[in-house]
Amino acid sequence: SQQGEEDPQALSIQEGENATMNCSYKTSINNLQWYRQNSGRGLVHLILIRSNEREKHSGRLRVTLDTSKKSSSLLITASRAADTASYFCAMEYGNKLVFGAGTILRVKS
Amino acid sequence: SAVISQKPSRDICQRGTSLTIQCQVDSQVTMMFWYRQQPGQSLTLIATANQGSEATYESGFVIDKFPISRPNLTFSTLTVSNMSPEDSSIYLCSAVGGSYGYTFGSGTRLTVV
Repeated sequence: SQQGEEDPQALSIQEGENATMNCSYKTSINNLQWYRQNSGRGLVHLILIRSNEREKHSGRLRVTLDTSKKSSSLLITASRAADTASYFCAMEYGNKLVFGAGTILRVKS
Repeated sequence: SAVISQKPSRDICQRGTSLTIQCQVDSQVTMMFWYRQQPGQSLTLIATANQGSEATYESGFVIDKFPISRPNLTFSTLTVSNMSPEDSSIYLCSAVGGSYGYTFGSGTRLTVV
């Protein structure tokens, strides 16, 4: 299976703290994307990092990609209660997007 | 980015029946996909919907259970056939093409009783 693994499965932090989620995959990718899904809602695209990039920022989000280790991390700084959601990495293989298992983030106010 | 309209948004169906989910994109796209998200789980790719030809199914998914059509570049349907309670999931349509990345429909929440 090409599905990626994510850790931790669940993360609970206080508002204002940083949250880090990790994603690992098995085979070479075109790019890696991160998505957020609020409970019962649709997917929101957060950020895309290409295979030749090592780091990317968007607002409070920082994504890194290490193709030699086949891993990526998503850092959310200064978390807010509204960041409470499930976060998924998704690897693009050819023309397909394959999702990781996801991390459930809970930010307590 | 493209906008996807997916319907129905939710349905409750009797076991043994079939449900067809529709996905309409507001612009021409290169690829369309169908995903399943079981309760509390991640998204699993069911198949790539190919325009004018048979869909390409992922391991564990078969055409008899999940027939897919894509008659043109902007429309696709997924049918969940002979449903059982194990088919209760959210089904999502996705599309990619042009200058934008992947776009997802809002999903169809299916409950089989």
